[in-house]
Amino acid sequence: AQTVTQSQPEMSVQEAETVTLSCTYDTSESDYYLFWYKQPPSRQMILVIRQEAYKQQNATENRFSVNFQKAAKSFSLKISDSQLGDAAMYFCAYWGNEDNNDMRFGAGTRLTVKP
Amino acid sequence: NAGVTQTPKFRVLKTGQSMTLLCAQDMNHEYMYWYRQDPGMGLRLIHYSVGEGTTAKGEVPDGYNVSRLKKQNFLLGLESAAPSQTSVYFCASSYLGHSGANVLTFGAGSRLTVL
Repeated sequence: AQTVTQSQPEMSVQEAETVTLSCTYDTSESDYYLFWYKQPPSRQMILVIRQEAYKQQNATENRFSVNFQKAAKSFSLKISDSQLGDAAMYFCAYWGNEDNNDMRFGAGTRLTVKP
Repeated sequence: NAGVTQTPKFRVLKTGQSMTLLCAQDMNHEYMYWYRQDPGMGLRLIHYSVGEGTTAKGEVPDGYNVSRLKKQNFLLGLESAAPSQTSVYFCASSYLGHSGANVLTFGAGSRLTVL
């Protein structure tokens, strides 16, 4: 089964600075999707950004961008101009065609934003 | 636009008691899912449904049952609660499952404590 690893349990960043959250995954598939979800203290899971594996171009959503390295099976999230509202748990997730509808999540990274 | 609604939001049970978590979505989504979230483990799929009247097991199905009698509702049942089932439970829905064009929409979560 595919696995998703987030090696940073906690990260902190100064407001207005840039931070990168790491994610690696293990798969034998060539066609799959990768996601970053944000979970603030309210517990609501919010989609931050999505990347299709067949696309070479890295996805971007305003201040959020990814560095997708397919050969290295790496999918990092970069948050630019960090804001206090970015403080949350961030989960990397993998969804492939062989998983029978099972989206695999990493253990999460808790991001703290310092004013 | 309610999206995905879970009830109850909090519940405390004694070992051996039974209960049902209700998930309702108003987006006409075909696919529905139940996940559990435990510290340091991300989200893990319990059961899922690809349509009304159908259900399937996920990664951690033992001790749980589900039913999808109506397209908009997905029920998660615990017949005999155990302390190991203390967790936060998330319901999610999506349109057409593996299609890259869709994403999971999550409910706000239900915190269950089994004493």
